Formats: sequence, C-alpha cells, structure tokens
Amino acid sequence: GAGVSQSPSNKVTEKGKDVELRCDPISGHTALYWYRQSLGQGLEFLIYFQGNSAPDKSGLPSDRFSAERTGGSVSTLTIQRTQQEDSAVYLCASSLVSGQETQYFGPGTRLLVL
Amino acid sequence: RKEVEQDPGPFNVPEGATVAFNCTYSNSASQSFFWYRQDCRKEPKLLMSVYSSGNEDGRFTAQLNRASQYISLLIRDSKLSDSATYLCVVSPSTGGFKTIFGAGTRLFVKA
Repeated sequence: GAGVSQSPSNKVTEKGKDVELRCDPISGHTALYWYRQSLGQGLEFLIYFQGNSAPDKSGLPSDRFSAERTGGSVSTLTIQRTQQEDSAVYLCASSLVSGQETQYFGPGTRLLVL
Repeated sequence: RKEVEQDPGPFNVPEGATVAFNCTYSNSASQSFFWYRQDCRKEPKLLMSVYSSGNEDGRFTAQLNRASQYISLLIRDSKLSDSATYLCVVSPSTGGFKTIFGAGTRLFVKA
C-alpha cells in the first residue's frame, strides 16, 4: 500500500521567501507529525496533529513556522520569511493513533535556503 | 540534561561482531519505547518496539529497564547491511503527544 508521501523532495529558496511543504499521510492514520533534521543531527519535533483535536505546536521554533491539516488528512508546513538556519530535511510521519504507535515516515523534503 | 541520550558513537565493528547500544531517558512517566534505524539520507524506519519483558527479533534484542530509565539494543553477528544510525525513541506519558528521538548512534560494520 501507499506510504507517507512528501512534496517537493527538494526545495531551494532565497532568504526571506515563504515555502510550503506538503505531507500526505497513510490513509486511515489519524496522527501526523512534522520533524526537522539538520545535517548530522537528530530529529527535532515540530508539531503534532491528532484527528480533529487542537495540534500540539510546542516544537515550532518561531512564529514563522505554521502548519495545517485539512480534513484530517493532508498537512502543509509553511515557513515564512525563510532564514538560512531553516535549511534542513523536514520529515513527516503518520501513525494509526497517537503517541504509543509506530510512526511511518515520508522521504522528507530537503530545504536549502540561500 | 537531554530528554533522551544515546551513546555518542560512531561504533566501528567487524562483520560478525556483537555490538550494544545504550539509551537513557529522563521522563519516568514515558510509556512506549522504540528503536528506529536510519540509513544515510533516508527516512527513519522502525526496527523494533521495546517491551518491559525484553524482546528479540532475529539478531536484534531490545531491553528496557524502567527503574534505571535505560533502554538497550544488542546486535549479534553484525552484517555489513547493519551499518546505519540507530535512533532511540521515547513516546510520552498518557495524554501527551511529543515523541522524543535521541540523536542517534552511528554504526559502521566493516568487512
């Protein structure tokens, strides 16, 4: 079956521009996570969606970052006024339920801010 | 103190060796524990869940010690294909959502 998909796979942008990253979770998975991974570093939690509940935004590094999840499925992570330190791989994961379930990751979006 | 800490690595071992990774976590109320594997420039994938009673999957054995807040992964008879970064993952206590990933331990298995 289809796994988690993300688009674009790579994104190069100029400092100050806005970018949108998309995640399509596995069908039927109610939980969706966004993480950021800088080169050679571990995964940094950004935001979590569970069904129709209010998202856990505790990991978003600044107010330039926001995310939506429409209809409990597709999610978009938006970074406004990108900075060079935003360059990283942005990974999306979904799981059947929250927290205690296996997370299935998408291939990630590699973002480079020049 | 980091919420999840792992051996710094890298571990360089010959084929056939046994290697052990350790991980400690700070939140005593944590409920679920996992080991993920991440290949270079790839996404993490679940290797195995970690249960209180310990569990084994082929050459891989995971142990959990709640009293010491410690998780381990043992790989026996290492293969070249085991070369990867191994991530210790701790899921929150009931009602929380934030999953914590350790920074990972790199393993290189040499011929």
